Amino acid sequence: DTAVSQTPKYLVTQMGNDKSIKCEQNLGHDTMYWYKQDSKKFLKIMFSYNNKELIINETVPNRFSPKSPDKAHLNLHINSLELGDSAVYFCASSRGGQETQYFGPGTRLLVL
Amino acid sequence: AQSVTQPDIHITVSEGASLELRCNYSYGATPYLFWYVQSPGQGLQLLLKYFSGDTLVQGIKGFEAEFKRSQSSFNLRKPSVHWSDAAEYFCAVATSNFGNEKLTFGTGTRLTIIP
Repeated sequence: DTAVSQTPKYLVTQMGNDKSIKCEQNLGHDTMYWYKQDSKKFLKIMFSYNNKELIINETVPNRFSPKSPDKAHLNLHINSLELGDSAVYFCASSRGGQETQYFGPGTRLLVL
Repeated sequence: AQSVTQPDIHITVSEGASLELRCNYSYGATPYLFWYVQSPGQGLQLLLKYFSGDTLVQGIKGFEAEFKRSQSSFNLRKPSVHWSDAAEYFCAVATSNFGNEKLTFGTGTRLTIIP
C-alpha cells in the first residue's frame, strides 16, 4: 500500500548504457515529478507532468526522457549514461498546484 | 526567482535539548512552505506545511514551525530532540507560475544528536 513507489531502489551501470527508472503512485494524484539529488544533497526538479502532459522541463539534457503512460505512472529513461548522472532520483506526486508533494523512496544511480 | 536559504549546513545538539533550524525564503507571492526530513538512505517525509491561517503550524514527531512574513522566515523547532531525529532537514517553497508549480528546496541542514 505504498503511496509512491520507485523501482529499482539501486542501479549500478556502466557509462554509455541506457537505463529506466519506474514510478507509480496510488494516491489518485494528477501531477507527478522527477527530482535529482546530487552528492551534496541538493534537490532540484527535473520534470513535472499533469494528467500525462509535460508541464516542467528544467533544462535537463535531452538524454533524459520522461514517459507517462497514465496519470499514475511516470517513468524516467536515460540514454548514454554519464558519470555526472550518478545521483539519487526521486519521484513525487501531488494534487497539483502548490499542494503537498509526496515523495518516493528514491533510486540511487551509480554510473561507473 | 524564488529561492530558499538554510544558513546552517550542520547542527549538533545534545539529546533532550531544544532545536531550531533556520529557513529564509524569497518569493514574490504568498508562499506555500514545507519542511521535509530525510533519514540516511531514505526518501523525504513531510514534517509540516504552511499554506495560510495560523502562522504557527504543528507537524509530526513533535515539530513545529513559525511563518514570519516580515522576516521571510519559516524556522523549524522542537522543544526536546531525540536520537532518532538525526537526519537531513529540507525547507522548501512551492511556487506557481502559470501552472508551472514546483518545489524549490534549500540546501538542507544536517542534524547530529549527541548523547
